[in-house]
Parts: sequence; structure tokens; C-alpha cells
Amino acid sequence: TQLLEQSPQFLSIQEGENLTVYCNSSSVFSSLQWYRQEPGEGPVLLVTVVTGGEVKKLKRLTFQFGDARKDSSLHITAAQPGDTGLYLCAGGSNYGQNFVFGPGTRLSVLP
Amino acid sequence: GAGVSQSPSNKVTEKGKDVELRCDPISGHTALYWYRQSLGQGLEFLIYFQGNSAPDKSGLPSDRFSAERTGGSVSTLTIQRTQQEDSAVYLCASSARQRFPLHFGNGTRLTVT
Repeated sequence: TQLLEQSPQFLSIQEGENLTVYCNSSSVFSSLQWYRQEPGEGPVLLVTVVTGGEVKKLKRLTFQFGDARKDSSLHITAAQPGDTGLYLCAGGSNYGQNFVFGPGTRLSVLP
Repeated sequence: GAGVSQSPSNKVTEKGKDVELRCDPISGHTALYWYRQSLGQGLEFLIYFQGNSAPDKSGLPSDRFSAERTGGSVSTLTIQRTQQEDSAVYLCASSARQRFPLHFGNGTRLTVT
């Protein structure tokens, strides 16, 4: 069974601070996605990474896929209150039909 | 449609009753997924449909849960004889193809009293 762990589970920071959240597994994934979910809504895709070592930037968000395709990180620069939400990573496998989701990191950015 | 649509958005039911949850995927999307999310938790996979292939039911927690997808479009998740532990948000997602990024609906919040 493929499992994803995320850390930290909760994070509360002040506006303007930087932060990094992590997504780790002992399994290799063919792709990894990051989603953000706000209360009362479904998760919304932020990025997909597919190549080991790949780095993608989305404005103030930087995503990295580990060389071995077992882990990923999300770094936010100068966090803003609008970044508040539940950040979920999801791994795609060549062997399964569905995506495996991590438990999420709940981020709160205080003004 | 513009996005994945789920109905109802909220459902309160008594223990032991049956419920049906509906999902309208994005037009043309061949893959459809159901996930369950308990309060403050991550997503638990339930079932996956891809085109006309047999669904992957490996995530269904018990035989009280079933789902169907008619005409390769609308899907219904049915929970029979609901229990309090079934209370959760049920999320539906569709994707253009197998293993492509998921587009989620806003979910149905089910409360079993």
C-alpha cells in the first residue's frame, strides 16, 4: 500500500513569513500533485510534477519533486492571508488507478 | 458544464436510512472518482470509474456502499443503512483521462444523526 505523509500537520504564521511544507513516502510515484482546499470547497490543483528533481514555480509558491520521486516540498515566500487553507499532496502510480492523498497541512496566515 | 457539480450540498439523515449522492462530472471527462473526507482529514479513496471499464471498488469501506455511473457521465453514490461513522464530506472528482489531474466538486456534507 502506498502512503503519503505530510508535515507539519498544522502551521500558523504571520503575513510576510516564509514557510516550507513536506510530503514524504517510502514509495515511488510517477507523478505528484499539490492541491489547496478552502473551507466548504473541493481541492483545487496547484501543480503537477513528474520528473525527479523537477522544480516548478507558481508566483510565490515553489514546488520541488525529490530526485527519487518519493517526496516533495512546497515553499511559500512572503505568505499572505489568502494562502490560508489545507494543502494536500497526491501521488499518482503507474500501478494503480487512483491517486493516493496525504493527510494535508493546514496553513493559517495571520494578517 | 463549467465544473464538477455535486448534489445535495448538505444532507442530514437518520441512522439506518439510505442516502444517494449525485455527481455531474465535467463534460467529456472519462474518469470519475469518489473520495470521502472526515473532518479536518485527508481524502480517503472510495471508487473510480474509467470509461466503460469495470470500476475500481477497492476503497469502498463496506457492502453498504455502492456506486454507479450511467452513460459514462452522471454518477450516484449510495449508502444503505447509514451509520454515524458515515458522517463526512463526500467529494467527487473527474479527469480528462486516467491519472490526469483531478477536478473536484464542492462535496456533499453528510450528517448521520
